[in-house]
Amino acid sequence: AQSVTQPDIHITVSEGASLELRCNYSYGATPYLFWYVQSPGQGLQLLLKYFSGDTLVQGIKGFEAEFKRSQSSFNLRKPSVHWSDAAEYFCAVGSAGRRALTFGSGTRLQVQP
Amino acid sequence: DTAVSQTPKYLVTQMGNDKSIKCEQNLGHDTMYWYKQDSKKFLKIMFSYNNKELIINETVPNRFSPKSPDKAHLNLHINSLELGDSAVYFCASSQDLTAAGNTIYFGEGSWLTVV
Repeated sequence: AQSVTQPDIHITVSEGASLELRCNYSYGATPYLFWYVQSPGQGLQLLLKYFSGDTLVQGIKGFEAEFKRSQSSFNLRKPSVHWSDAAEYFCAVGSAGRRALTFGSGTRLQVQP
Repeated sequence: DTAVSQTPKYLVTQMGNDKSIKCEQNLGHDTMYWYKQDSKKFLKIMFSYNNKELIINETVPNRFSPKSPDKAHLNLHINSLELGDSAVYFCASSQDLTAAGNTIYFGEGSWLTVV
């Protein structure tokens, strides 16, 4: 069975600082990986996704993520965080055999001025 | 234009009541889903439909009954509501069944509180 772990429940960074949110997955074959963001009181918005090819993927709002098969990771990064990035971030994994995404438990990002 | 819209956004109701949440997508997608987000923000698939056919039915109490009158709509009916049903329910859609290869688009959520 596939699973996703986001080790950090809550992260606080200063505005302008760099950010890295961790995501580890468990799946036997090549996974399909996603990062979604949920602002307070809102639905989920797709930031980026990885299916194949270049392991460094670019997303919206200046985010990027790198797929590392050897570490079973798909960490999300941003070089300079803005106050509007404060939200809940979810990593998710999909596979050809399973017809729905499996989500991690989320990481809440707070941004200090 | 909202791609995936669900109503109501907020719902407060008493235990034992029956309620429905409606969902519509205007993306022309074949597949629709209901996800439940609990108080710890954990998101879990409940149901998925493809062209009005039930595909996924996770271990959800049979008090929850999805209904898909057409492929653009997937409504969620909940009978005999319990306190533990309090959660945020997200409707979503994707192009087709291959969740691995398609982006899932989410609605804004319906906040259900059972008192």
